[in-house]
Amino acid sequence: DIVMTQSPDSLAVSLGERATINCKSSQSVLYSSNNKNYLAWYQQKPGQPLKLLIYWASTRESGVPDRFSGSGSGTDFTLTISSLQAEDVAVYYCQQYYNNPCSFGQGTKLEIK
Amino acid sequence: EVQLLESGGGLVQPGGSLRLSCAASGFTFSGYAMTWVRQAPGKGLEWVSTISGGGTTFYADSVKGRFTISRDNSKNTLYLQMNSLRAEDTAVYYCAKSDDPRDYMDVWGKGTTVTVSS
Repeated sequence: DIVMTQSPDSLAVSLGERATINCKSSQSVLYSSNNKNYLAWYQQKPGQPLKLLIYWASTRESGVPDRFSGSGSGTDFTLTISSLQAEDVAVYYCQQYYNNPCSFGQGTKLEIK
Repeated sequence: EVQLLESGGGLVQPGGSLRLSCAASGFTFSGYAMTWVRQAPGKGLEWVSTISGGGTTFYADSVKGRFTISRDNSKNTLYLQMNSLRAEDTAVYYCAKSDDPRDYMDVWGKGTTVTVSS
């Protein structure tokens, strides 16, 4: 099974500053036949459904603000929030869907400094 | 609007059974894979089971032989029959949709809470 490891576990960033969350997979999630990374990012806020932010490692879901971006390939990935807003306080998860079973990172809690 | 609404959670004794439901609306239910993901108190997300639009099923090793995923396309509803429940099955259970079993999940429900305790 593929193990996903996020860093850091928690992060405090000032409003308007950049937030960066990392995700590492125990094996590559890049599928060579289509050159796609099977990696997604989700946002979880209390009392709300999880929200898909990014898929294929860097494709932003419709309606997601463009301050959210994803990058990386193979085993190392990053979610970046370019200018932190108060509403971005949440827990963020990466997920690989390259293999069955799919697997999630342990989550990164993002707070305001 | 695409929506998923879970129900059926509750308190059950170890060894007991429970059936969760997930009512879908706003999309052609039969054309999508559906998944159950759970989150134990204070923990991260754990994939539980997926069913394709055609009915092919997949299970996590931790629930294989105890849980059964199914769907009723005429009722736009996903189910999770949970038997032989254990304390470690205590969690919020979410349903989610995806285009394919091997795909990201683009819509999630708010979840239903299952507590296994004597």
